[in-house]
Amino acid sequence: SQQGEEDPQALSIQEGENATMNCSYKTSINNLQWYRQNSGRGLVHLILIRSNEREKHSGRLRVTLDTSKKSSSLLITASRAADTASYFCARRGGTSYGKLTFGQGTILTVHP
Amino acid sequence: DTEVTQTPKHLVMGMTNKKSLKCEQHMGHRAMYWYKQKAKKPPELMFVYSYEKLSINESVPSRFSPECPNSSLLNLHLHALQPEDSALYLCASRPTGGTGELFFGEGSRLTVL
Repeated sequence: SQQGEEDPQALSIQEGENATMNCSYKTSINNLQWYRQNSGRGLVHLILIRSNEREKHSGRLRVTLDTSKKSSSLLITASRAADTASYFCARRGGTSYGKLTFGQGTILTVHP
Repeated sequence: DTEVTQTPKHLVMGMTNKKSLKCEQHMGHRAMYWYKQKAKKPPELMFVYSYEKLSINESVPSRFSPECPNSSLLNLHLHALQPEDSALYLCASRPTGGTGELFFGEGSRLTVL
C-alpha cells in the first residue's frame, strides 16, 4: 500500500500507562507527521519530524524516526482517558511537495 | 483566526441532486485540500489547490468538481453521486513556506441515498 502501515490497528490501555504506535512507509520522505482524530471529527496536527531528525518531543509525546527502516513511532506517556482517539501518521515526500499521505491509523482507547 | 470552517456539517442528497460543500479559512494559507474519509479508514487525498490553481487531482471522478474562487474559499461541487460516495469530506489548509502541517476543518458528513 502506498499509504503505509500502522500497528497496532487498535490499542487498549489503562490511564497512566504509555501507548506506543508504529508507522512504516515505503518511499522517501521529507518529513513525517502525526495527527489525532476524535471520532468523526477533523484531524489535529500533533508533531512533525524531519527526515534528518531521529527523535522529537512535545509535552507527553515522543516521536522517533528511522529512515533506514522506513519507520516511525509515536509514544504517548502517562495516557489519559481524553487521549482516546485515532492516530494517523502522514508522510510528505516524493516529487509532489503538496501531497500528504496518511497511514492506516491506530485506534487508541484509554480506560479510566 | 486559526480555524478552517466547513459547511454544511451534514448533507443528505439523492443521486440526481446537485449540491456543494464549502470550506473557508482566514489564516492566509495559499494551499487548500479536499480529503475523503470512509469509516475506520484514513483520509484519502482528492484535490490540492495552490495559489487558487488546481495542482493535484488524484484521479477523482468528474462527479466531484472542485473550485477555488479566492484564497480563502474552497468549494466541492457534487453531482450525480453514488451511494458509495457517502463519506466524511475533510477540508484542510497549509501555510506556504512552512513545514507542511495541515489545518483541518471538522468535515462535512455526506450521505447519498
